[in-house]
Amino acid sequence: EVQLVESGGGLVQPGGSLRLSCAASGFTFNRYRMSWVRQVRGKGLEWVAIINQDGSEKKSVDSVRGRFSISRDNAENSLYLQMTSLRVEDTAMYYCVRDRTPETTVSFAYWGQGALVTVSS
Amino acid sequence: DIQMTQSPSSLSASVGDRVIITCRASQTISDYLNWYQEKPGKAPKLLIYGASSLQSGVPSRFSGSGSGTDFTLTISSLQPEDFGTYYCQQSYSSAYTFGQGTKLEIK
Repeated sequence: EVQLVESGGGLVQPGGSLRLSCAASGFTFNRYRMSWVRQVRGKGLEWVAIINQDGSEKKSVDSVRGRFSISRDNAENSLYLQMTSLRVEDTAMYYCVRDRTPETTVSFAYWGQGALVTVSS
Repeated sequence: DIQMTQSPSSLSASVGDRVIITCRASQTISDYLNWYQEKPGKAPKLLIYGASSLQSGVPSRFSGSGSGTDFTLTISSLQPEDFGTYYCQQSYSSAYTFGQGTKLEIK
């Protein structure tokens, strides 16, 4: 069974940093692209960042580029999101997400339970 | 970035009704379109990928169609457990944008 378990969320002041982790199990982690998707409470979904299977290709949404960095450790079956220069508008639930299959276009088939990030003074 | 626009924003329907949700892309995206269902307090669930392919385990009352810029999600016979918010999402190009969501309420 595919399992994605996020950790590292919490309360941080504007301008601060936080690192989210996602522990993956139940599948061959290094075969899949992984993403982070966030959702502001009561609002819609926003894709944040994606990383390919070996970590050599990364993309992110404009609003976080230069502040957030996605990475992975295939030996540890883990995905990370390093967040710096955090803003109030980054407050959201952050989901670790796996692609449906390794070869096809992006579709978010497996989701973790989410990690809540609150940016507030 | 490609903008995704869903309609309606919300709707209320009765059990057994046929429900149609539409999604329009700001530019052509071929069939790179996915649909998700979200329920309160739970992570979203992939329903349809590639515009019309049913994700494993999803009931056959859900179907998707469309290509280019215009897409639909159809629930052929609404069931009580189908309440929630539905999102379309394009995978043609990053930033893999989502629609704003359609909130479906069961009458």
